[in-house]
Amino acid sequence: DAGITQSPRYKITETGRQVTLMCHQTWSHSYMFWYRQDLGHGLRLIYYSAAADITDKGEVPDGYVVSRSKTENFPLTLESATRSQTSVYFCASTPSGPYNEQFFGPGTRLTVL
Amino acid sequence: TQLLEQSPQFLSIQEGENLTVYCNSSSVFSSLQWYRQEPGEGPVLLVTVVTGGEVKKLKRLTFQFGDARKDSSLHITAAQPGDTGLYLCAGAWGNKLVFGAGTILRVKS
Repeated sequence: DAGITQSPRYKITETGRQVTLMCHQTWSHSYMFWYRQDLGHGLRLIYYSAAADITDKGEVPDGYVVSRSKTENFPLTLESATRSQTSVYFCASTPSGPYNEQFFGPGTRLTVL
Repeated sequence: TQLLEQSPQFLSIQEGENLTVYCNSSSVFSSLQWYRQEPGEGPVLLVTVVTGGEVKKLKRLTFQFGDARKDSSLHITAAQPGDTGLYLCAGAWGNKLVFGAGTILRVKS
């Protein structure tokens, strides 16, 4: 299907486990982003990527790792999950520059026990 | 501390009422976006404002960018239950967008 998809939609894991959240877009947008959404904080940027093999930290990158070997995929890995990483994670993309309209995926709700 | 402060945090009104939500900052933004998010979904862009003093209308929604480009407002006329959702403002900051915490709007029929 065309658009931006995230998987899984829901995930429960335990403290210390590694978790990877997937993001796939079919538009060939250059820019991709990972945000976390927590009550009272809005959306906070974790990492972003301007193109394949180019990534940069956002506001809250600690404990997360990203890669972008292909334009269409931008996985987010929690190397050793902590309870504070319980959140809803959104992936977004935009064709040209972070100031333009961002298109968001449906989100992944992650619970770390 | 949020770079963009949104108020109110929560608003519950009856169908047909008017409302205004605010997005304020002490910093200047080159542009500002408003998104609406429904439960279980990602945010969707409503409008982008780029010029100080700019007013944009989208059916019953009116968006205004402050003259100094530090604040914005969203006014909804004759709210409907379908307007229910989380309204987020986002400002262009450096090479990213920064988001406010949002206003949760509930319109009761």
